[in-house]
Amino acid sequence: DIVMTQSPDSLAVSLGERATINCKSSQSVLYSSNNNNYLAWYQRKAGQPPKLLIYRASTRESGVPERFSGSGSGTDFTLTISSLQAEDVAVYYCQQYYSIPFTFGPGTKVDIK
Amino acid sequence: QVQLVQSGAEVKKPGASVKVSCKASGYTFTSYTIHWVRQAPGQRLEWMGWIDLTNDNTKYAQKFQDRLTITRDTSASTAYMELSSLGSEDTAVYYCAKGGGYSTYERFDYWGQGTLVTVSS
Repeated sequence: DIVMTQSPDSLAVSLGERATINCKSSQSVLYSSNNNNYLAWYQRKAGQPPKLLIYRASTRESGVPERFSGSGSGTDFTLTISSLQAEDVAVYYCQQYYSIPFTFGPGTKVDIK
Repeated sequence: QVQLVQSGAEVKKPGASVKVSCKASGYTFTSYTIHWVRQAPGQRLEWMGWIDLTNDNTKYAQKFQDRLTITRDTSASTAYMELSSLGSEDTAVYYCAKGGGYSTYERFDYWGQGTLVTVSS
């Protein structure tokens, strides 16, 4: 199984400041035949199901604010919130869908400083 | 708009089975895959399996191979997840999620609201 790790476990950022979350996979999730990374990011607010933010490592889902961006390839990925808003308080998860079983990171809790 | 509406909370005794439903609306049910994911207290999100509604193929995580069954009722646009031989470790919130593209290896673009299954004697 591909093991997903995230860092940090939690972070507190001032409103309007940048938040950066890292995700690492135990093996590459880059599918060479189409050059796509099979890596997604989800946001989960209290009491709600996860919401898709980013897929293929860097493609923003329709309707997701531009302040959310994803980068990285192979085994190392980053989710950046360029200017943190109050409504961004949540837990953020990365997920690989490259191989079965699909696996998730442990989550990173983002709070307001 | 796309919606996945799951059945309500369940309380089961050890050794019993549970069946959770996931009713889809707002898209062509038979064109995508439905996945099942669970999260036990203090644990990670855990993918359990999928049903590919284009061909009815199912795929289960090895961990659940012997006791998980995912089915569908196309006429009702509903997918089902049945887990048998429940133990306390199966206490979790169970989610259905829609595959985001036409492949089975896809992100999950819509999720159900979750169903709490509690296993207790």
